[in-house]
Amino acid sequence: KNEVEQSPQNLTAQEGEFITINCSYSVGISALHWLQQHPGGGIVSLFMLSSGKKKHGRLIATINIQEKHSSLHITASHPRDSAVYICAPRSQGNLIFGKGTKLSVKP
Amino acid sequence: EAQVTQNPRYLITVTGKKLTVTCSQNMNHEYMSWYRQDPGLGLRQIYYSMNVEVTDKGDVPEGYKVSRKEKRNFPLILESPSPNQTSLYFCASRPSLAETQYFGPGTRLLVL
Repeated sequence: KNEVEQSPQNLTAQEGEFITINCSYSVGISALHWLQQHPGGGIVSLFMLSSGKKKHGRLIATINIQEKHSSLHITASHPRDSAVYICAPRSQGNLIFGKGTKLSVKP
Repeated sequence: EAQVTQNPRYLITVTGKKLTVTCSQNMNHEYMSWYRQDPGLGLRQIYYSMNVEVTDKGDVPEGYKVSRKEKRNFPLILESPSPNQTSLYFCASRPSLAETQYFGPGTRLLVL
């Protein structure tokens, strides 16, 4: 059983739609990272959170430590949001990566 | 500009020919890691280093070596590459275990 499960694996949306990507994990963690991998391959860190909610522009990340669940929301999605989004809980100092959610936003 | 650099970005080699992928960061970060990314498997940690001369195995260390002689550099060495090491490799660094990680641009390796 994977320690980190993301859903959906693939997501196609129309520009302007509200997007939600979910992440569930089975291990005890100290924090959770959300990463964005661009079509060219580069990876950037979007959020690191250990409780509650964080917002950056149109992106919102939430985490419920008790339920071992995190969500990434994108409001007013845009084609430039098309990327793979990776959930990575941190357990005992190391990151455990989900397999990613591939998002495609159509104009 | 704060960054993590990797070289080369693309490499085609043959089985058994030793190679080194360099990684350098200019942010004075203590913690550095190497990952490989394969379709369907996601990112997996190969090795990590918590400081100069301190390295440890990640989840998939077989066939790889690393060294950390200077704080800024963390090269990945494949002594005898094999086709199953064909992958996309990322180096990453962070100031401490509790902080955000910065990724290099990736190195695409093909071993024939």
